Amino acid sequence: DAGVTQSPTHLIKTRGQHVTLRCSPISGHKSVSWYQQVLGQGPQFIFQYYEKEERGRGNFPDRFSARQFPNYSSELNVNALLLGDSALYLCASSKLGATDTQYFGPGTRLTVL
Amino acid sequence: GENVEQHPSTLSVQEGDSAVIKCTYSDSASNYFPWYKQELGKRPQLIIDIRSNVGEKKDQRIAVTLNKTAKHFSLHITETQPEDSAVYFCAASSMGGGADGLTFGKGTHLIIQP
Repeated sequence: DAGVTQSPTHLIKTRGQHVTLRCSPISGHKSVSWYQQVLGQGPQFIFQYYEKEERGRGNFPDRFSARQFPNYSSELNVNALLLGDSALYLCASSKLGATDTQYFGPGTRLTVL
Repeated sequence: GENVEQHPSTLSVQEGDSAVIKCTYSDSASNYFPWYKQELGKRPQLIIDIRSNVGEKKDQRIAVTLNKTAKHFSLHITETQPEDSAVYFCAASSMGGGADGLTFGKGTHLIIQP
């Protein structure tokens, strides 16, 4: 079975730009969650989607948005990038949601210059 | 929302000794408590999890205990090996769709001394 996949692996952007990160969950999993991990910290919850609907949102500004597609893959969009958005963005998939076992993808390392 | 505190931030033990990492949580509605291991530059990997209807769970050298009354849970690693060196994160989540996702602690850097 293929695990959770994310693309791209690394990304370098400048302040003010926009970025789109992609995630494909494990086959059969209907829930995708996004987390931001700043160096030296634990992952911080951004969004959860289940069956293409937003089920939860963390404490992030409206510059962050996401969506889930009919095939359960997901995109995370960040507008008007700030230096502080530099982080590892992790996608996690599960069958049912946050109280179900979540499996993380390898992440996308975003650097904002 | 939920708040998870994790201690210690760094733990150094001799190979073969036991390691214990402790976490406390604030939301009494939380009922799912996973532990993740993250090696440098890699993804967090689930090593064990426990739900609120169980007080203890064991998987080979790894065990987790949960005290719902005191709102704390702990990870125990016995007979530590060099490959156990990594950062370990505890997390908590509540039922009801998990609207807040998993709330993570700040991590414990476990160092196994040869």
